[in-house]
Amino acid sequence: SYVLTQPPSVSVAPGQTAMITCGGDSIGIKSVHWYQQKPGQAPVLVVYDDSGRPSGIPARFSASRSGNTATLTITSAEAGDEADYYCQVTENNSDQNVFGTGTKVSVL
Amino acid sequence: EVQLVESGGGLVQPGGSLRLSCEGSGFTFSSFWMTWVRQAPGKGLEWVATIKQDGGETSSVDSVKGRYTISRDNAKNSLYLQMNSLRAEDTAVYFCARARVVITVTSFDWYFDLWGRGTLVTVS
Repeated sequence: SYVLTQPPSVSVAPGQTAMITCGGDSIGIKSVHWYQQKPGQAPVLVVYDDSGRPSGIPARFSASRSGNTATLTITSAEAGDEADYYCQVTENNSDQNVFGTGTKVSVL
Repeated sequence: EVQLVESGGGLVQPGGSLRLSCEGSGFTFSSFWMTWVRQAPGKGLEWVATIKQDGGETSSVDSVKGRYTISRDNAKNSLYLQMNSLRAEDTAVYFCARARVVITVTSFDWYFDLWGRGTLVTVS
């Protein structure tokens, strides 16, 4: 089955930039989506289709892809950005949706 | 208000059955694909199943095939997940979510832009 690998944790100082990676075979040819989940809450879509931002999501959240890695970038990190972040793709050969392993972002 | 509200979770014995429901409001429910995603305690997100607007197409993760059935009733703005032959490893919070489609020349991809708060299923 298709696997998306993320680092378990990322730490960032307030005001600095956090980068969360998502690795998977041929991810460079897939649409990648990103979700934020705070403790006890439902996930929230923060980036869709590689670069789209839903209404209400600040421009501090952006994403990119290169080779077999997709990256979510949070610029000027704030305490409220502390959460788990997941990438997600659709594996078209099997019509299966796959989430990444998740990354806990700490703003220290 | 645009929202999804799940119900039907609870405690069930291994081998038992449970039916989850999800009611949408504030948007045209029948216009959207819908999906179920689950999260075991302390674990990551796992996609479970997705259903087309008219219910005519479904897909699901291999681990639930033959045990779970996703369905919908657009007249009631409701999504369902019938879960049979439940196992301890099915214990999770189950979220329903609205699915959006990205269509390209080579692919047909989904993402999930509206989520409910989830309902807890415990198999023990």
